[in-house]
Amino acid sequence: QKEVEQNSGPLSVPEGAIASLNCTYSDRGSQSFFWYRQYSGKSPELIMFIYSNGDKEDGRFTAQLNKASQYVSLLIRDSQPSDSATYLCAVNSGNYGQNFVFGPGTRLSVLP
Amino acid sequence: GAVVSQHPSRVICKSGTSVKIECRSLDFQATTMFWYRQFPKQSLMLMATSNEGSKATYEQGVEKDKFLINHASLTLSTLTVTSAHPEDSSFYICSASQSSPSTDTQYFGPGTRLTVL
Repeated sequence: QKEVEQNSGPLSVPEGAIASLNCTYSDRGSQSFFWYRQYSGKSPELIMFIYSNGDKEDGRFTAQLNKASQYVSLLIRDSQPSDSATYLCAVNSGNYGQNFVFGPGTRLSVLP
Repeated sequence: GAVVSQHPSRVICKSGTSVKIECRSLDFQATTMFWYRQFPKQSLMLMATSNEGSKATYEQGVEKDKFLINHASLTLSTLTVTSAHPEDSSFYICSASQSSPSTDTQYFGPGTRLTVL
């Protein structure tokens, strides 16, 4: 059973702080990793994806991947109240999107 | 780019009726489409995976005769909830993927909120 685990939260951070969201996965053969954001009552939207070990930055977001530790994280710098949402980690261990596994999500609350 | 639409966004129907939900990839060809269901305050649950031109693969516990999926073209998949009952009330979300090694990202539609009275 391929598993993706996340702390359900809620994770509360003050406005302007760095929010750190973590995700671990069980399948060592996983090849691509995704972070989605889901606002209450809405569908998930893609924030970013990462394929290689190391950091990948996109604006205020940085994804970090460590395949040896089977760990992927998302850092949100200068957190804003509008970042308050549930963040879903997804891992694909197949070649053609057929083994996409979502974590349960971490609820982030950014306090003004 | 990578826009996925769903129609309708909201539907209310009587128990026993059938409801069809359409999912379209607007600016790319989706080799694979996925259908999810999400109950309030719960995680996404994958219902089925469909590849264009072939039968859908259903997750364990999902009744294929109740949730009919058709993926007739590279831009359109439909989910039909047959003989809907109140317990089928949920948020149904589709996603689409180009499904190649370099573009396996899933892009989600806006979802369809189904209420069965």
